[in-house]
Amino acid sequence: DSGVTQTPKHLITATGQRVTLRCSPRSGDLSVYWYQQSLDQGLQFLIQYYNGEERAKGNILERFSAQQFPDLHSELNLSSLELGDSALYFCASSAQAGGPNEQFFGPGTRLTVL
Amino acid sequence: EDKVVQSPLSLVVHEGDTVTLNCSYEVTNFRSLLWYKQEKKAPTFLFMLTSSGIEKKSGRLSSILDKKELFSILNITATQTGDSAVYLCAAPGTSGSRLTFGEGTQLTVNP
Repeated sequence: DSGVTQTPKHLITATGQRVTLRCSPRSGDLSVYWYQQSLDQGLQFLIQYYNGEERAKGNILERFSAQQFPDLHSELNLSSLELGDSALYFCASSAQAGGPNEQFFGPGTRLTVL
Repeated sequence: EDKVVQSPLSLVVHEGDTVTLNCSYEVTNFRSLLWYKQEKKAPTFLFMLTSSGIEKKSGRLSSILDKKELFSILNITATQTGDSAVYLCAAPGTSGSRLTFGEGTQLTVNP
């Protein structure tokens, strides 16, 4: 158990809908990262927050947004869902914003868009 | 663009064999390289390497980094069926700590 929690574990929804994925980092970690893992793309970085502020952005679609709250939990919002958004979404956390530091992954949310 | 390449992509061995997994990288502003094990769930952290030539060890697993040749290896000795997993190599790149991952090596250990 990494100490990172994610809810829900599974989500099944229809095209065009909107969903929210939630992540709580390990105790004491200030940085939260979101990654998407699909069969054909591998693990892809989406976005990073550090202590409430956006720190880095990757290949995140405009239909997707995220935020980190004062209690450091983070939410990833996915809207106007398409079939291709079906994937595993992982949240990871680390103590620092940059520099060499380990990232610990949560159990993931498996999103299925029908 | 930052790049991490792993080889082989797939490996099948028998219990008791020793395996070596490879990871090469091209990363601007290199700071560290990380190894993860992924079974049918989240990646589990194994090692973080920052210095060349210093081996990190955990039980039957060990890893070393060569910053001159831009690669790392992960060794697993006396493999067990429980070692069957995808092993991922990753490096934080240009922007903050975002990790760029390799494709992974799918290791299958047969009894």
